[in-house]
Order: sequence, then structure tokens, then C-alpha cells
Amino acid sequence: NAGVTQTPKFQVLKTGQSMTLQCAQDMNHNSMYWYRQDPGMGLRLIYYSASEGTTDKGEVPNGYNVSRLNKREFSLRLESAAPSQTSVYFCASSQTGDSPLHFGNGTRLTVT
Amino acid sequence: AQSVTQPDIHITVSEGASLELRCNYSYGATPYLFWYVQSPGQGLQLLLKYFSGDTLVQGIKGFEAEFKRSQSSFNLRKPSVHWSDAAEYFCAVGANDYKLSFGAGTTVTVRA
Repeated sequence: NAGVTQTPKFQVLKTGQSMTLQCAQDMNHNSMYWYRQDPGMGLRLIYYSASEGTTDKGEVPNGYNVSRLNKREFSLRLESAAPSQTSVYFCASSQTGDSPLHFGNGTRLTVT
Repeated sequence: AQSVTQPDIHITVSEGASLELRCNYSYGATPYLFWYVQSPGQGLQLLLKYFSGDTLVQGIKGFEAEFKRSQSSFNLRKPSVHWSDAAEYFCAVGANDYKLSFGAGTTVTVRA
């Protein structure tokens, strides 16, 4: 089973460029999430989607937008990338709001 | 707001020795508690979870954790460490609100 699939695996952007990180899950989960991981800070929630058709801000939403395209797919967009957005981005899914998260393998983004 | 503290940034342990990773949390009610493990270049994998009931929880790969309400702790243990246990370990706390909070992580190095 694929589980949670993220694309791309690596990306380098220049300051001001835009890009979209893609995420898809095949576990029929209701909820999907975007986290960023920075050294010494653990994972911080950017946005989440409790169910298809809804999205909500997490702890660090500034500079990001999301789209829950359908039940399977949840994308993260950086409209104007900044060096502070250099990070590893993880998509995750869960059945409910208190269920364990299933993670993708991450996207390593560098903004120069 | 909920928060998680993992006091140890890095632990080195000999193969075959026991391992204990500390986790302290701050939360108004009894939270849901999780331990995740991350191997290099991978996403996070669930080791175990505590929702209620028996305060000693068994997980995968021979790990266990004990919930101590009086100490606001949820420490992870393994009686005998294998070289494959070298990884980064994250404690997380949440409620039924989709906003899981992660600690900063503890990196475990296993020496032969």
C-alpha cells in the first residue's frame, strides 16, 4: 500500500517564486495535515483539513495556502517563497481528529 | 495551550542496553499521547499511543511507555536496544481537535 504520497521529494526555489506541494492518501482517511519540520523545533502544524471541503489554520499558517481538492488530495501552496520557508514539509492523514497520523516521506524545500 | 517537552536532545546507548526517553507535557485535561519514530529521510511512524485506561502501553518494536498523570509525563522505554533503533523519537500530545503538538525530538545513537 502506498499510504501517503508526497511530491516532489526535493525542491529548490529562489526568493519570490511560487510552488505547490502535492499530497495524496489512499487510506480513505477523512483528515489531512501539513506540517513543517525544522531542527530543534519538532513538527509544527501549518494547516489541516478535518474533512473534505474544510480547511483550518494551524500554528504557523502565514505565507501558505492549502486546497483540499477531494478526499484523497491536499495541496500546500507557497505564493512567494522566502528563505524562512526552507524546511522539510510533511503531509499526514488520519481517520479522525484524535486518530494517529500517517505520514508521507516529506519534501525537502530550500529557498535561496 | 498544550505543549510538549523532551529534555534530552541526544542520547547515546550501547547495543543491548536499556533505553528511556523522557517526555513531559502541559495540558488542561487528560490528553491523547503518542510516540513516533523517524528514521533518516523518512516520515514519522507511530510507535504507540495512550488514550485512556491502563497507564502502561505496549507498542511496536518492543517499546513501551508509561503515563504518569501526577508527573505529566509519558516516558518511552525499551529493555534492550538494537542497532536499528538508532533514529529520532518524537513525543506528541493532542485532544480531539486535530492539532497535535510535537516535542523537539530526541536523537538516539546506538554504539556497538
